[in-house]
Amino acid sequence: ETVMTQSPGTLSVSPGERATLSCRASQSVNSNLAWYQQRPGQAPRLLIYDASTRATGIPARFSGSGSGTEFTLTISSLQAEDFAVYYCQQYNDWPPLTFGGGTKVEIK
Amino acid sequence: QLWLQESGPGLVKPSETLSLTCTVSDDSISSNTYYWGWIRQPPGKGLEWLGSAHYRGSSYYNPSLKSRVTIFVDTSKKQFSLRLSSVTAADTAVYYCARTNIFGSVSPRWFDSWGQGTLVTVSS
Repeated sequence: ETVMTQSPGTLSVSPGERATLSCRASQSVNSNLAWYQQRPGQAPRLLIYDASTRATGIPARFSGSGSGTEFTLTISSLQAEDFAVYYCQQYNDWPPLTFGGGTKVEIK
Repeated sequence: QLWLQESGPGLVKPSETLSLTCTVSDDSISSNTYYWGWIRQPPGKGLEWLGSAHYRGSSYYNPSLKSRVTIFVDTSKKQFSLRLSSVTAADTAVYYCARTNIFGSVSPRWFDSWGQGTLVTVSS
């Protein structure tokens, strides 16, 4: 099973600043990685797939990069609605499809 | 716009079978492009994929659940269902149904649409 590890656990950022979230895979997942946003009390929402492709309707301030075992989600200028928990998910080595433990982005 | 809606009991007794249904709003349930999956989230914790199934019959499950989980798709009702047997308190979670995209592949990849989730508590 491919274990996904996200860091940091919590990221404190001021509105308008850049946020950089990391996701590491225990073995190479090539570019088979997705990112999700989960606001409190809501279902996750797909942001990025194939490591760097934005999903339909996702603002350009969200960008993904990386391949192999190291991935990054960058939010270029945090808006109020971006404070949430973010999860990565690999779909290269499965079953099972696996998620990271999440990074909470909170207001500084 | 596609929506998905979970339904089923909010309380299940230990050792019994948890059964949930997800209703899909459009005809994509009969599309070759998608699998239909279930993901759960224990209170305050992360996400765990349970399994995904295709309307043509193929399915994949999380090995950690061994043979306890079954997912099947009913295109006539635009629904897919989850059955999780022999539940314990550890199965208490919010259960989400989700459309699983297979774009560029023949197998489940990412989850592009989610239901709002339903809390299932396992308790006597």
